[in-house]
Amino acid sequence: KQEVTQIPAALSVPEGENLVLNCSFTDSAIYNLQWFRQDPGKGLTSLLLIQSSQREQTSGRLNASLDKSSGRSTLYIAASQPGDSATYLCAVGAQKLVFGQGTRLTINP
Amino acid sequence: GAVVSQHPSWVICKSGTSVKIECRSLDFQATTMFWYRQFPKQSLMLMATSNEGSKATYEQGVEKDKFLINHASLTLSTLTVTSAHPEDSSFYICSALDRPYSNQPQHFGDGTRLSIL
Repeated sequence: KQEVTQIPAALSVPEGENLVLNCSFTDSAIYNLQWFRQDPGKGLTSLLLIQSSQREQTSGRLNASLDKSSGRSTLYIAASQPGDSATYLCAVGAQKLVFGQGTRLTINP
Repeated sequence: GAVVSQHPSWVICKSGTSVKIECRSLDFQATTMFWYRQFPKQSLMLMATSNEGSKATYEQGVEKDKFLINHASLTLSTLTVTSAHPEDSSFYICSALDRPYSNQPQHFGDGTRLSIL
């Protein structure tokens, strides 16, 4: 059974810092890995999707990497801004997504 | 981009009431929709997969008679929580796929916060 873990559970950093969020999964036979953003009381916004054959994806200040052999993915956020404050979730799967617990990120002005 | 609309966004009702939540794909046809539940400070857990024109597939531990799913058209799936009790209070989120096993991300609704008194 696939299990997804995200570390840390919460992170607070000053504005402008670069930061890394971690995601690990137990079964390397994944189809896709996705990173989502969730604002309080809201649904999910898809940030990046990495196919199993890919190593990384980039969108603006965000870069996500995937290492299937070690069962890990990282989400790198450059030059963080207060508007980046949210919970970040990673999920693996093709249709039925298995989610991690999320990392609650706070960017302090 | 693809938009999924979920309604209502928030509902409070008395114990024993049945509550219907709608999930609509506004600008694409969704052959498959998914229903997730999220308890406070926890992650999303898949409840069921809804396929247009066929019965929903429920995950282990999810009561089929409690959570009725109907996917009567390519743009609408509904989740009905029957005889809701306080322990059913949660945040329910739907997502939709326009093509199975595509390399496109699922599109999520904004969720429905259900509070049972």
